[in-house]
Amino acid sequence: DADVTQTPRNRITKTGKRIMLECSQTKGHDRMYWYRQDPGLGLQLIYYSFDVKDINKGEISDGYSVSRQAQAKFSLSLESAIPNQTALYFCATSDPGGSNTGELFFGEGSRLTVL
Amino acid sequence: DQQVKQNSPSLSVQEGRISILNCDYTNSMFDYFLWYKKYPAEGPTFLISISSIKDKNEDGRFTVFLNKSAKHLSLHIVPSQPGDSAVYFCAANYNAGNMLTFGGGTRLMVKP
Repeated sequence: DADVTQTPRNRITKTGKRIMLECSQTKGHDRMYWYRQDPGLGLQLIYYSFDVKDINKGEISDGYSVSRQAQAKFSLSLESAIPNQTALYFCATSDPGGSNTGELFFGEGSRLTVL
Repeated sequence: DQQVKQNSPSLSVQEGRISILNCDYTNSMFDYFLWYKKYPAEGPTFLISISSIKDKNEDGRFTVFLNKSAKHLSLHIVPSQPGDSAVYFCAANYNAGNMLTFGGGTRLMVKP
């Protein structure tokens, strides 16, 4: 089983709908992240959380919100989806107690299509 | 403004030859650099990294070179294998933080 699990893996929805992408991890890491991948733009940070009571905006947080329900769970919501939010979304974790080199552990991705 | 750039969206190499993937950065504060590899339908996985106090780090077939004065790093794969075909992302951070800044990725195709 994957250490970082994302659900759903694929989702097609319509403009204006509310969507939630969920992430759970078994790595025991405190830090969790949501990234978005668009062709040619690499991975852009949407939100991150360093512990259960900590939520921070990333580079492209507009139109998104997050919830850190527990150390192991971090969900991303699109309150009213729009077509330019069509992308591949990745959840990631990291362990600041390790070598602190910035290594991230990614989930397998959630492909979202907004029609 | 992208602080980490991978100017080649794709690269095609013959099996057994060297693959060289390049990455440029603009933020002189960056002090740690990482390469991630991504296969289709999978998340990126860590490949190799280098600290700014070094100019080379080697791990098997993979070597990363850092030229701080030019703000440039490169990933060398020797010899290239078909299983190396993937998208490679360069990433950087600073101040021992975990806030990675990623490049746009280079798709490597290794032909048998």
